[in-house]
Amino acid sequence: DAGVTQSPTHLIKTRGQHVTLRCSPISGHKSVSWYQQVLGQGPQFIFQYYEKEERGRGNFPDRFSARQFPNYSSELNVNALLLGDSALYLCASSLGQWNTEAFFGQGTRLTVV
Amino acid sequence: AQRVTQPEKLLSVFKGAPVELKCNYSYSGSPELFWYVQYSRQRLQLLLRHISRESIKGFTADLNKGETSFHLKKPFAQEEDSAMYYCALYSNYQLIWGAGTKLIIKP
Repeated sequence: DAGVTQSPTHLIKTRGQHVTLRCSPISGHKSVSWYQQVLGQGPQFIFQYYEKEERGRGNFPDRFSARQFPNYSSELNVNALLLGDSALYLCASSLGQWNTEAFFGQGTRLTVV
Repeated sequence: AQRVTQPEKLLSVFKGAPVELKCNYSYSGSPELFWYVQYSRQRLQLLLRHISRESIKGFTADLNKGETSFHLKKPFAQEEDSAMYYCALYSNYQLIWGAGTKLIIKP
């Protein structure tokens, strides 16, 4: 098993653009969570999806949205990018909604210029 | 508010010396706490969780509800322990993270 995979690994966008980040969970895992990690800080929770439904949302503006597909992969979308959105975006998968052992991907490094 | 605090951004110790990485939390109720580790150029991975009460790679962590702490300890540091360590608290579908401590083991 390849583990949690994220694409792309690096991305440069201009202010005002939108971006889509992708995540494939470990086979058999039904829960996907997204985190934003700014340099020098711990990850900040953005969303959790389980069985294609949003189960939790962190303190992020509506410019951030996500969805989960029938194969449990997930997309994170960010609209109207700001310089402050520059960060490492991490995806984590876990077996169930309440199973709290999270397995992380390598992350997508987003730079907004 | 729920919060995790790791007071040390950087901790440097000699090989063979004891290590203690501090973690304090703020949470009403019974906390579920974790330590994650990130080695150089690798992804975040779970090191241990308090409910399992295991020792992983020689590390242990004890939950102290009175002091609201979950410090990570190892009696004899090894060079391969050099990494970034994060303490995290599970609450309402999410992990709440500390800022992390960079551990450097000097030869």
